[in-house]
Order: sequence, then structure tokens, then C-alpha cells
Amino acid sequence: GEDVEQSLFLSVREGDSSVINCTYTDSSSTYLYWYKQEPGAGLQLLTYIFSNMDMKQDQRLTVLLNKKDKHLSLRIADTQTGDSAIYFCAERANTGGFKTIFGAGTRLFVKA
Amino acid sequence: DGGITQSPKYLFRKEGQNVTLSCEQNLNHDAMYWYRQDPGQGLRLIYYSQIVNDFQKGDIAEGYSVSREKKESFPLTVTSAQKNPTAFYLCASSMELQNTEAFFGQGTRLTVV
Repeated sequence: GEDVEQSLFLSVREGDSSVINCTYTDSSSTYLYWYKQEPGAGLQLLTYIFSNMDMKQDQRLTVLLNKKDKHLSLRIADTQTGDSAIYFCAERANTGGFKTIFGAGTRLFVKA
Repeated sequence: DGGITQSPKYLFRKEGQNVTLSCEQNLNHDAMYWYRQDPGQGLRLIYYSQIVNDFQKGDIAEGYSVSREKKESFPLTVTSAQKNPTAFYLCASSMELQNTEAFFGQGTRLTVV
């Protein structure tokens, strides 16, 4: 079945890079997403990558996709305290139509 | 400003009562969704609507009901049949069902007391 897995916690020092990892099971996924959720708020789409791409860079964010291993990562360069949030990985599976499957979210703690 | 608005932000319900969560969007989006978020779990889809007057069950629809009488509005009713309703509820919308980008509301935290 479809599944998205990610570690639940990550702690980094301010100024360091953060790397959040995600694995998914549906090899027919068309889009993979990273969402950010700040405390008590909804989800904000950070970036997404189409399944035929290996990498996408957007300012401090770099997304890497290894389609063979079904592994997606989000790298945040020069992590700031304002980056503290929960980061959700999600895939749009081709099976069952439009359905988007979310991971449990990785809580990023940034220490000053 | 265009956006998607959920209200209220916090909601308390007594056991056995129905309660309705509001979701309104002025983005002219056709598709709208309701998700439930529990600690340590990903978002789970409750109901979705592709277009006005149409809606479909998601993965965990039991104990919930929705309506889509207007394009802008997709209210969710949590009924007394929902055995574990305490959760954070998120509403989202997208231009169409197949669209890549979904916009989320700020969420409603429902607590059963």
C-alpha cells in the first residue's frame, strides 16, 4: 500500500544545515511535496518536485529525489530559529487518482 | 486578500453533541478537502469535494458529514458517532482535484470534554 515515512524529530544549531529525510513506497508517484507547519497553524507548501527531476533548489531550500531508492530529502541551508516547525513530506500517488499521502511530519528544533 | 479561513480556532464539545467546523475560501477553487491531524501521524483525509454539490468520502469518513452547497464553503460536521473526535482539523482547497498546490486553512482544534 501507499506509505510515507519520516523521522519524527531533528535538532540542529542555528547556522547549520538541516536535512530532513523521507521515504515513500509508491513508485508511480508524480509529485512529491514538502510542507511546513508552524505551531497551531495550517500547512504551508514550501516546495515540490516532479518525479522526473533529481534536484530542485529554491533559495535556502534544496530538494533531492532518489527515485530508485524512493528517497526524498529537504536541505535547509543556514538554518534559523524561524525555521523551527514541523515539516511534512507528501506524495501524490498515481494509484487511486488524485490522492495525496502525508508523512507523520518531522519536528525541527533549532538551537540558538 | 485571497485565502482559506477556518473557524473557530478552538472548539469544545460535550460528548454526544454534534458540532460543525467552518471552512470558507475566496480563491475560486473548485476542490476542497478536510483532513484530520493527530500527534505522531500524518494527515488523514476525511472528505473531499471536487465541485459544488459533489463530495466523496476519504479514508476516515465514519462519524463525519459534509456539504458543498456553495463553491466557497465546505463545512464539516463531527457527529456523535465519531468515537474519538478530539483532534486538529485542517481544511484545504486547490484549483482542481488534480492540481499540485493545495492551500491550507489555519486549522480548528476540537476538544471533547
